[in-house]
Amino acid sequence: KAGVTQTPRYLIKTRGQQVTLSCSPISGHRSVSWYQQTPGQGLQFLFEYFSETQRNKGNFPGRFSGRQFSNSRSEMNVSTLELGDSALYLCASSRDREEREQYFGPGTRLTVT
Amino acid sequence: SQQGEEDPQALSIQEGENATMNCSYKTSINNLQWYRQNSGRGLVHLILIRSNEREKHSGRLRVTLDTSKKSSSLLITASRAADTASYFCATYLSGGYNKLIFGAGTRLAVHP
Repeated sequence: KAGVTQTPRYLIKTRGQQVTLSCSPISGHRSVSWYQQTPGQGLQFLFEYFSETQRNKGNFPGRFSGRQFSNSRSEMNVSTLELGDSALYLCASSRDREEREQYFGPGTRLTVT
Repeated sequence: SQQGEEDPQALSIQEGENATMNCSYKTSINNLQWYRQNSGRGLVHLILIRSNEREKHSGRLRVTLDTSKKSSSLLITASRAADTASYFCATYLSGGYNKLIFGAGTRLAVHP
């Protein structure tokens, strides 16, 4: 089985711009979660989608949004980028049952200048 | 604040030695997981231990869980240079669906 894929792998944007990151989960996985990793805050949960519905959301401003498509692929969008949004954004997928192991993609490294 | 906290923050050992990392958490859990991350890359799931288990093994990995103390430990035996990575414990908040809460991680350096 192919693993979780994320595109793009690297991205450089300027303040005020918006960005869309994409995640394709492992085939058969319907849950997709997004995490932000920074040196200062560590790994923080952004949101989780299951069957195209957002089931859970972390403590992030409304500039961070996401969606999931019928094929379970997911996108996250960050609008009006700030310098502090520079981070590694990780996507993870898991099986239908809750509280199982999650499988992570390689991440998208976003740099905001 | 984070659910899990790892100790130590950094660990430096020689190849062949054992590495022990500890994790503490704050609320009741159904399971606890350990993940590895190689420098700035994605996380790899290592092992999941359920709340009714006290110890679990996987290859050179041994994980213990003490729910009375809300703590877990990860032991890597006979470490190799390839084990150099950051290790994170993670738990799910009750009713949080697939919302994983990670600790700050332990940076392990294994020197040849």
